[in-house]
Amino acid sequence: TQLLEQSPQFLSIQEGENLTVYCNSSSVFSSLQWYRQEPGEGPVLLVTVVTGGEVKKLKRLTFQFGDARKDSSLHITAAQPGDTGLYLCAGARGTSYGKLTFGQGTILTVHP
Amino acid sequence: DTEVTQTPKHLVMGMTNKKSLKCEQHMGHRAMYWYKQKAKKPPELMFVYSYEKLSINESVPSRFSPECPNSSLLNLHLHALQPEDSALYLCASSRSGLTYGYTFGSGTRLTVV
Repeated sequence: TQLLEQSPQFLSIQEGENLTVYCNSSSVFSSLQWYRQEPGEGPVLLVTVVTGGEVKKLKRLTFQFGDARKDSSLHITAAQPGDTGLYLCAGARGTSYGKLTFGQGTILTVHP
Repeated sequence: DTEVTQTPKHLVMGMTNKKSLKCEQHMGHRAMYWYKQKAKKPPELMFVYSYEKLSINESVPSRFSPECPNSSLLNLHLHALQPEDSALYLCASSRSGLTYGYTFGSGTRLTVV
């Protein structure tokens, strides 16, 4: 089993602050996906990064895939209460159907 | 249609009951998945169906029985569950290749009493 270590597990910040969530592994992944999940709902895909060194931006969210494709980060600028939720990274090996390896998740709370 | 629809949203069942969870997608995705998720934990894979055939069973107890009647439907039949099986059960689907990511349904909140 390839482990994905996600940190921090919990993050409680004020509106307007910046934050970074990290996802690290000793294994190489062919792609890394980030999801956000709100209570009582399923995870929603935010982004998929595929190429080592790739950077993708989604409004105030910036995602980066490490050069060696073993780690990834999610940076949120000027967090808002609507960003509150469980953030999950998930790694895929290969390109065919199969299982994702999920990180343990980061519970983010943004206070007004 | 870009959704995965799961029914019911909530289910309470006794340990001797038989019930089924249903999942439907019309995105043409050929892989469908069942996940189990406990509160504030990541989803845990249970089953993977690829082109309507079971391709992965993560050593799930036989009291959970998956079924894929066609490329749009996925069922999870439940029988003789235990209280520790109470969780959010998520269905997901994906296009060919894991690089596209999953589309998850909203889940069924199952409580076993």
